[in-house]
Amino acid sequence: DAMVIQNPRYQVTQFGKPVTLSCSQTLNHNVMYWYQQKSSQAPKLLFHYYDKDFNNEADTPDNFQSRRPNTSFCFLDIRSPGLGDAAMYLCATSRGVSETGEQYFGPGTRLTVT
Amino acid sequence: GQNIDQPTEMTATEGAIVQINCTYQTSGFNGLFWYQQHAGEAPTFLSYNVLDGLEEKGRFSSFLSRSKGYSYLLLKELQMKDSASYLCAAYDSNYQLIWGAGTKLIIKP
Repeated sequence: DAMVIQNPRYQVTQFGKPVTLSCSQTLNHNVMYWYQQKSSQAPKLLFHYYDKDFNNEADTPDNFQSRRPNTSFCFLDIRSPGLGDAAMYLCATSRGVSETGEQYFGPGTRLTVT
Repeated sequence: GQNIDQPTEMTATEGAIVQINCTYQTSGFNGLFWYQQHAGEAPTFLSYNVLDGLEEKGRFSSFLSRSKGYSYLLLKELQMKDSASYLCAAYDSNYQLIWGAGTKLIIKP
């Protein structure tokens, strides 16, 4: 089945220790998104790629970086995680940006910072 | 600014009907989504409305009034597995998805 896959599902990192979360998709969608979601809050868009075109949200901290080496894979790098970065990180895809299609979500990675 | 308002929490009884309301204020509008999110899991797509009216899909229906900036999700014949958060999200004129914080629905036997 075509899907969005995130690894790992649970990640524990130490304060200040860099961590990378990964996402892959078999849907062949052009757009990939990274969201941060904290408990009982709306998902917060960090950035998205339309193909290789990177779009950073204005309020995304510099501590968060992303890479998309090819259509299928996208990575979220947190350079120096703080306690406030503990959250669920959701990867999503869609066919296009100027289209009204739904976004397809992966299962998420729950990040704990100790 | 842009925002989505929906109730924080609702409680309903198994077998009953519940309506979850959502109001939105966006710069332009290109459709509204409802997603279901179980605790600790990713959101899953339920419905999409871009024209006024009611869209029915099994036990779930979604309604949109663009003139009022209003939508609701109607869940019929509630089951215990419907206990989840329901997120309302709207596309603005730039196709940026504006999310609500979600309504936590608690189903009681």
